[in-house]
Amino acid sequence: GAGVSQTPSNKVTEKGKYVELRCDPISGHTALYWYRQSLGQGPEFLIYFQGTGAADDSGLPNDRFFAVRPEGSVSTLKIQRTERGDSAVYLCASSLSTGMGRNEQFFGPGTRLTVL
Amino acid sequence: DQQVKQNSPSLSVQEGRISILNCDYTNSMFDYFLWYKKYPAEGPTFLISISSIKDKNEDGRFTVFLNKSAKHLSLHIVPSQPGDSAVYFCAATSSGATNKLIFGTGTLLAVQP
Repeated sequence: GAGVSQTPSNKVTEKGKYVELRCDPISGHTALYWYRQSLGQGPEFLIYFQGTGAADDSGLPNDRFFAVRPEGSVSTLKIQRTERGDSAVYLCASSLSTGMGRNEQFFGPGTRLTVL
Repeated sequence: DQQVKQNSPSLSVQEGRISILNCDYTNSMFDYFLWYKKYPAEGPTFLISISSIKDKNEDGRFTVFLNKSAKHLSLHIVPSQPGDSAVYFCAATSSGATNKLIFGTGTLLAVQP
């Protein structure tokens, strides 16, 4: 498909476990974003990649959260020692670039994470 | 601190009538605003945007109005169709930054046939 894909679509884990969430952006999109949407809230920014580097990780809630994009395409969001409060839908978005030329962010369907 | 606010959690409109969704923001550094539409179990889909140098942008049935002095924007949908029923998110960003979007909490629009 041509859109942003995310796997898994659903993830149920136990408190204290480690999880990885994957995002495949649209081919050619250099900018990649992770957002988190809790129930009844709008998406909340977590981290932004331009190419392989994390240009802005100011939204990561604490050091249990980490993300990588080693080849400038696929990205993985990693959560260590999961807590019940981490339960949310994790959304990935990609765009052509950032800067003065505003480029639309295309979102994937999200991964619903449930921590029991 | 909620920088983008959508004070109406839901809105119900008759098919064919106008839907007006409202959004307020507090950060004067925001200079680009977007509306996204979201269906259940799907990611948000871009609908329409507006730069702060404009006060109106129109795309088919959708028009976004920006009042910078009031820090307020609105999305007008006319005529409303049942397929427009979804959650609508207002989002804002500022130039020179990473283009990260700051979202409101959303408004659930129900268009009644």
